[in-house]
Amino acid sequence: DIQMTQSPSSLSASVGDRVTITCRASHNIDIYLNWYQQKPGKAPNLLIYGASNLRAGVPSRFSGSGSGTDFTLTISSLLPEDFATYHCQQSYDSLARYTFGQGTKLEIK
Amino acid sequence: QLQLQESGPGLVKPSETLSLTCTVSGGAISSSPYYWGWIRQPPGKGLEWIGGIYYTGNNYCNPSLKSRVTLSVDTSKNDFSLRLSSVTAADTAVYYCARLPTYASGSYRFYMDVWGKGTTVTVSS
Repeated sequence: DIQMTQSPSSLSASVGDRVTITCRASHNIDIYLNWYQQKPGKAPNLLIYGASNLRAGVPSRFSGSGSGTDFTLTISSLLPEDFATYHCQQSYDSLARYTFGQGTKLEIK
Repeated sequence: QLQLQESGPGLVKPSETLSLTCTVSGGAISSSPYYWGWIRQPPGKGLEWIGGIYYTGNNYCNPSLKSRVTLSVDTSKNDFSLRLSSVTAADTAVYYCARLPTYASGSYRFYMDVWGKGTTVTVSS
């Protein structure tokens, strides 16, 4: 299986900060990387698909980049509603073998 | 607006079979080219992919669970189901269903764009 490793596992930041979360794949996954935001007690919500495609309706302060094995999710200026857990997920492998990163918890400093 | 809703018992005894259904409203489950999937999240842990199914019944399951998982679809009811046999405490989790659109026409790679709210399943005697 393709292993997905996010860093950091947790992050403290302030409203207005620029934040970057990294996701590394154990094998080349081209651009088949998706990002989800999850708030406590809620289902994940798709933010970005195909490494850099912003889902319709997602604020432009969110952006994604990367290809191959290294990917980033950037939030340009944090708002209070952005404090959540972020998950990356690869779709390169067979539909039977999709995998997620362990998650990055973004907390208020 | 498409909505997905998981349903099923919240408590299952060890060694028994967990059965969940995801009901799709606001759209047809036979819409192409969507797959429909199941994901779970143990308490305090990350997300785990279980498997996905097409409206024709074609399905793919996580090899780590494949011997215990059965996926099915009922187009007349507009729902799809998960059965997980021989459960243990390690199967305790929130179970989500989701819609999986393809990246592009002809692609066999997907992402998860609409999720159910999730249902908590506890395995305990």
